[in-house]
Amino acid sequence: KQEVTQIPAALSVPEGENLVLNCSFTDSAIYNLQWFRQDPGKGLTSLLLIQSSQREQTSGRLNASLDKSSGRSTLYIAASQPGDSATYLCAVQQGAQKLVFGQGTRLTINP
Amino acid sequence: NAGVTQTPKFQVLKTGQSMTLQCAQDMNHEYMSWYRQDPGMGLRLIHYSVGAGITDQGEVPNGYNVSRSTTEDFPLRLLSAAPSQTSVYFCASSYSDTTGGLNYGYTFGSGTRLTVV
Repeated sequence: KQEVTQIPAALSVPEGENLVLNCSFTDSAIYNLQWFRQDPGKGLTSLLLIQSSQREQTSGRLNASLDKSSGRSTLYIAASQPGDSATYLCAVQQGAQKLVFGQGTRLTINP
Repeated sequence: NAGVTQTPKFQVLKTGQSMTLQCAQDMNHEYMSWYRQDPGMGLRLIHYSVGAGITDQGEVPNGYNVSRSTTEDFPLRLLSAAPSQTSVYFCASSYSDTTGGLNYGYTFGSGTRLTVV
């Protein structure tokens, strides 16, 4: 059974710092990996999707990498801002449109 | 373009009552799914559909029914609500390329917060 783990569970950093969020998964047979953002009481917003054949994706200050063989992904956030404060979720897709989620990293950026 | 619309946003039910959570998407996505989000458990797949008329069970299907009569709608029915079904429910849609290989990502609704007392 696929298990997705995100470390750390919570992270608090001062504004302007670069930071890395980690995601690991136990079964490398995935179609893709997605990073989502969730604000309190809100739905999920897709940030980046990495297909299984890709190594990384970039969008603005965000960069996500994927190493299928080791079962790891990282989300790099450059020059963090208070508006980046949210919970970040990692999810892998396994066959037939099934997403398996990690429990998230709660990120706080302090002004 | 509204994306994925879920109604209602909040609902309180008594144990044993039934209700339907509505989900509609206007992106002509072929795939739709329902997840529940619980503290300490993350998001878990309840049911999913790969097209109109086709549904299948996810990780936690017990107590829920679904149907997909149109591409746009994917309602989730609670047959007899139980306190264990207190949760936040999210509907999502997605699509893949014509060969059925690459998935181009998921769009989630804003959620329905359900309390069963």
